[in-house]
Amino acid sequence: GENVEQHPSTLSVQEGDSAVIKCTYSDSASNYFPWYKQELGKGPQLIIDIRSNVGEKKDQRIAVTLNKTAKHFSLHITETQPEDSAVYFCAASDSWGKLQFGAGTQVVVTP
Amino acid sequence: DTEVTQTPKHLVMGMTNKKSLKCEQHMGHRAMYWYKQKAKKPPELMFVYSYEKLSINESVPSRFSPECPNSSLLNLHLHALQPEDSALYLCASSQGLANTEAFFGQGTRLTVV
Repeated sequence: GENVEQHPSTLSVQEGDSAVIKCTYSDSASNYFPWYKQELGKGPQLIIDIRSNVGEKKDQRIAVTLNKTAKHFSLHITETQPEDSAVYFCAASDSWGKLQFGAGTQVVVTP
Repeated sequence: DTEVTQTPKHLVMGMTNKKSLKCEQHMGHRAMYWYKQKAKKPPELMFVYSYEKLSINESVPSRFSPECPNSSLLNLHLHALQPEDSALYLCASSQGLANTEAFFGQGTRLTVV
């Protein structure tokens, strides 16, 4: 089955700086890669996703890149703000359509 | 509207109790999911329903029993749970099974005593 690894497990950034989270996956048949943000006491919120026919996607301060050859994808947050503090999960959809999540990254943005 | 509504938000139950978790969506999605999430861990898939039929059961113990009464509702019936079943139970829905956006509810925080 699919295996997704996510790094780093924690990330502290100064407000205004950029944050980057990296994930690798094992199943070359995976072709859908969403990113979720989970705040304390809430469910995961889909913030951006990318499909395998695209190398990069951007939505305001958030961007995701995908390298299918290397089987890795990354989340980039620019101009970080305190409200960006949360746990971020990457995921890959395997050939059965099941989402396999990474272990999560705790992002802390300090003012 | 991308809302998935779960009730109750919190539940405390004894090991001999029977309770149910409820999930509702009105986005016309035909796939619905139950996930279990322990503290500081990612969500783990439990069940998948597609067109109101159970399509995936991730070897979940029979003390968890899912039900999909119609395309908008998903229930999880709980019976004879163990303290280690305490977790956040998340419901999600998506348009279809593969490669489509999945939207999560806020979850039910379950404590088994």
